[in-house]
Amino acid sequence: DTGVSQDPRHKITKRGQNVTFRCDPISEHNRLYWYRQTLGQGPEFLTYFQNEAQLEKSRLLSDRFSAERPKGSFSTLEIQRTEQGDSAMYLCASSFGRGKHNEQFFGPGTRLTVL
Amino acid sequence: AQSVTQLGSHVSVSEGALVLLRCNYSSSVPPYLFWYVQYPNQGLQLLLKYTTGATLVKGINGFEAEFKKSETSFHLTKPSAHMSDAAEYFCALGNTDKLIFGTGTRLQVFP
Repeated sequence: DTGVSQDPRHKITKRGQNVTFRCDPISEHNRLYWYRQTLGQGPEFLTYFQNEAQLEKSRLLSDRFSAERPKGSFSTLEIQRTEQGDSAMYLCASSFGRGKHNEQFFGPGTRLTVL
Repeated sequence: AQSVTQLGSHVSVSEGALVLLRCNYSSSVPPYLFWYVQYPNQGLQLLLKYTTGATLVKGINGFEAEFKKSETSFHLTKPSAHMSDAAEYFCALGNTDKLIFGTGTRLQVFP
């Protein structure tokens, strides 16, 4: 069990470019979550998957954001036409089972800087 | 609406002193509550969680928290701070299948 991994750890891009982040959850975990954390704030929920199905999306997830989890394994989060306001830490978490009491295991995050 | 409030964005203590980080919640249903710690450039690590049952919850690294329904609080404590405890601490509320986080408290520990 190597934990949740995220790639890349850091991404610097210019406004208007597209970026894609990858998350590899703990292997037996069926749920995968994406959160966004801006400076001085706690993580904010973006979306989550149960296996390959995307079950909920936050209103924070604008049309420029898309997430996938093909085959219920790793997940990607793509941001199109990046804006400076997208600069944040993007956190991925996974859990086994369902319910609000299940522990979510977090990855180290991808820090995005949009110039 | 469900929410979490962490009072004090920064807390400073001396090594060996009591650590108290405050968390209040708002929930229309019985809450599930969590404390996470985040070290610089790392992800969040679970310290402890309250689901049901015993209201005093013990976690890792000597931390504990007490659920007080009457006060809608879930404060985090540690009897004696260590330098290694310096980090950001987040209180979170389980909401269906996602977590609602507070804004965090940065703990500084002075020698």
